[in-house]
Amino acid sequence: AQSVSQHNHHVILSEAASLELGCNYSYGGTVNLFWYVQYPGQHLQLLLKYFSGDPLVKGIKGFEAEFIKSKFSFNLRKPSVQWSDTAEYFCAVNARYGGSQGNLIFGKGTKLSVKP
Amino acid sequence: GAGVSQSPSNKVTEKGKDVELRCDPISGHTALYWYRQSLGQGLEFLIYFQGNSAPDKSGLPSDRFSAERTGGSVSTLTIQRTQQEDSAVYLCASSFRTGNSLSGANVLTFGAGSRLTVL
Repeated sequence: AQSVSQHNHHVILSEAASLELGCNYSYGGTVNLFWYVQYPGQHLQLLLKYFSGDPLVKGIKGFEAEFIKSKFSFNLRKPSVQWSDTAEYFCAVNARYGGSQGNLIFGKGTKLSVKP
Repeated sequence: GAGVSQSPSNKVTEKGKDVELRCDPISGHTALYWYRQSLGQGLEFLIYFQGNSAPDKSGLPSDRFSAERTGGSVSTLTIQRTQQEDSAVYLCASSFRTGNSLSGANVLTFGAGSRLTVL
């Protein structure tokens, strides 16, 4: 079964600082990878996704993530954060094939607080 | 509808009572998911439905939890004999399709959730 680890529980940054949130998954087969974001008082929404192709994927609001297969990682990055990026970020993975392919597994989330 | 609708938005109940939470997915979405979000625990997968296939119930924490999806649309999550540890936000999500298709696969649209408090 898949599992997802997010290493940082709470990250506090000042505006304009660079961001990198770690995500590692555990699964031996081919996976789809996602980052979801939950802004305060709002629904969870998709930030970006990786299915195949270029391992560097770009999402909304200047976020990007890099899939490193050898490290089972899919870290989220942003060169310069803004106060409006304050939110909780969730990494998720599902198996591309097999009986559990619909089962999207989430990490425990990383809360990002950006100080103005 | 335009989004995933969940009701009630808030539910306070007494320990031992049964509760039902409802989810109305986006029209045309074939896959429907239930997750539980507790403080510090992230999103815990509960169950998912895909079309007419048997649901994946592997995440249900106990036999007090059950879910059904009628007519391939609306879903109800039932918790019997609620316990205080059941207190959480229950999230429903739907997606266009699942599986190994690259197009639209597993991109979930979430509802606002149902906050359950068990006293």
